Amino acid sequence: GAGVSQSPSNKVTEKGKDVELRCDPISGHTALYWYRQRLGQGLEFLIYFQGNSAPDKSGLPSDRFSAERTGESVSTLTIQRTQQEDSAVYLCASSALVRSGNTIYFGEGSWLTVV
Amino acid sequence: AQTVTQSQPEMSVQEAETVTLSCTYDTSESDYYLFWYKQPPSRQMILVIRQEAYKQQNATENRFSVNFQKAAKSFSLKISDSQLGDAAMYFCAYGGSQGNLIFGKGTKLSVKP
Repeated sequence: GAGVSQSPSNKVTEKGKDVELRCDPISGHTALYWYRQRLGQGLEFLIYFQGNSAPDKSGLPSDRFSAERTGESVSTLTIQRTQQEDSAVYLCASSALVRSGNTIYFGEGSWLTVV
Repeated sequence: AQTVTQSQPEMSVQEAETVTLSCTYDTSESDYYLFWYKQPPSRQMILVIRQEAYKQQNATENRFSVNFQKAAKSFSLKISDSQLGDAAMYFCAYGGSQGNLIFGKGTKLSVKP
């Protein structure tokens, strides 16, 4: 596609439920990133995928968070047993290569509210 | 570990005036990139400008320019002739050998007509 696409754009869920957030990166981009942004805060790195290499999961806050990526395309971020502190915007981004200088393009995010 | 610090939570500028947003970072790497991203209320992160650490010349993009001081690990953004559409959150980010970007907490810029 023309840009990074994320769905759903907004999600309200009950505490304790599982949620899945989807990201479609820009076609041909081998690197894919997930960030979390709490209200009024900066971006918190969660995980990134680089081609067929093992993902860097160092930013995942707990074992309730996991992410998968199918080849070099769609990624799904799963949050199990959601808690109120999980409420945030989850931003996905992609870039052509995992190299520090490459521009990273962001989606519009998925706004998650846990009630 | 690398860190990025934006010491100004909020800034305000009069339309058509110039404003400078501050950013400092900490790293032991010698080869890296620095970025400024803009996030309007729509939440879409937009790349404003980027700087390669090995280049001494400051990057410019139209009304946006940076003052990159590598020894001081400082990377400020200057917005000239500010426009109402410049109002947004601005994030400074560091891109090093790890591949991901490390962001500062952001500066909220207001533009007064």
